[in-house]
Amino acid sequence: DAMVIQNPRYQVTQFGKPVTLSCSQTLNHNVMYWYQQKSSQAPKLLFHYYDKDFNNEADTPDNFQSRRPNTSFCFLDIRSPGLGDAAMYLCATVRDRGETQYFGPGTRLLVL
Amino acid sequence: GDSVTQMEGPVTLSEEAFLTINCTYTATGYPSLFWYVQYPGEGLQLLLKATKADDKGSNKGFEATYRKETTSFHLEKGSVQVSDSAVYFCAAGPRSGAGSYQLTFGKGTKLSVIP
Repeated sequence: DAMVIQNPRYQVTQFGKPVTLSCSQTLNHNVMYWYQQKSSQAPKLLFHYYDKDFNNEADTPDNFQSRRPNTSFCFLDIRSPGLGDAAMYLCATVRDRGETQYFGPGTRLLVL
Repeated sequence: GDSVTQMEGPVTLSEEAFLTINCTYTATGYPSLFWYVQYPGEGLQLLLKATKADDKGSNKGFEATYRKETTSFHLEKGSVQVSDSAVYFCAAGPRSGAGSYQLTFGKGTKLSVIP
């Protein structure tokens, strides 16, 4: 049973056209994360929420925004995608520090 | 800040060969340690973890022991299979109840197992 669900699995957008990726979880975890992963690299943390508290990484571009309307859902908004934003975007959740992060299957974003 | 260094790949092995992927960490305090596996086109899955010194994590024939004295968490498997072909990430995270919520990942090691 899927516990962290990401939609869509593949997203194609045009240069500069806003796009939203979604993540939902059935684990009722407090913390949700968005990572960007480029080919052959480790995931790079963009931001995370502890409940409704938003924590942005210092080097996350302003072009990336996030919303968490409730415990179960979290969205990643890319306001003006550039070619360099083509990547796999991973959502993850964790109940508390020191525990296992559970990852979704990812959304692969292609920017034309 | 924390850092994780793992053996860079790619690593190519024949089926039934012995696997070791080295991982060392630097951290303030006493982190929890994880190995995640990523199959092509998928997200990361927890393979195993350890939360204190001398703990051994194990799963699917893989093992890793938390060695505080050498700040290491090397991944081993006695006999790899073609289905083990994937990218393996070592990660360090905060212990329960303290520190940030971030995981620090190594760069990943791509393993290819050939029949």
